[in-house]
Amino acid sequence: DAKTTQPPSMDCAEGRAANLPCNHSTISGNEYVYWYRQIHSQGPQYIIHGLKNNETNEMASLIITEDRKSSTLILPHATLRDTAVYYCIVNGATNKLIFGTGTLLAVQP
Amino acid sequence: NAGVTQTPKFQVLKTGQSMTLQCAQDMNHNSMYWYRQDPGMGLRLIYYSASEGTTDKGEVPNGYNVSRLNKREFSLRLESAAPSQTSVYFCASSAISGSSAGNTIYFGEGSWLTVV
Repeated sequence: DAKTTQPPSMDCAEGRAANLPCNHSTISGNEYVYWYRQIHSQGPQYIIHGLKNNETNEMASLIITEDRKSSTLILPHATLRDTAVYYCIVNGATNKLIFGTGTLLAVQP
Repeated sequence: NAGVTQTPKFQVLKTGQSMTLQCAQDMNHNSMYWYRQDPGMGLRLIYYSASEGTTDKGEVPNGYNVSRLNKREFSLRLESAAPSQTSVYFCASSAISGSSAGNTIYFGEGSWLTVV
């Protein structure tokens, strides 16, 4: 499975959009990009995933570049409850989802 | 609908003791996983089971054994606990086996294990 690179931490003002980047330059054609988040010490929570096209759901939007080597998770109106560690994962046709160290997003009041 | 349930939530072991972490899911998922998370670190995959009757090693399998008892249950056993195994353990499950499409993973709330 392809590796991902994320910044270790980011800040965002409450009410503003949070844009979390992820590099996955070795991604292969059948690998999806997944985003999860972990609030404090709870179990990770699924946010969104995509293959080629941009995706949006009630939680977030996922923008994948045309060459698929990077992506951005967008939380349109960040709240204090969005403070968490965000994990970007790429996965192909296996069940081995490998988590990296993620990005700690701190939403500031 | 409980999702993924792990027991126990907290456990303190002495070095050399054995114990089993239990995990059950009620979503009729094919695949199940065990991860560990050390303080300030990301999750690392210990073992996974793509379907009932199969198990495979993840990133850090040494010191652990697993059993996929049936489709619902996937247990993790520490035969001789060591302080290095002090961690938070997460069980997880996903619906689809062998396909990346829609392979969303659902996690339990974690089991805090301390080995002294």
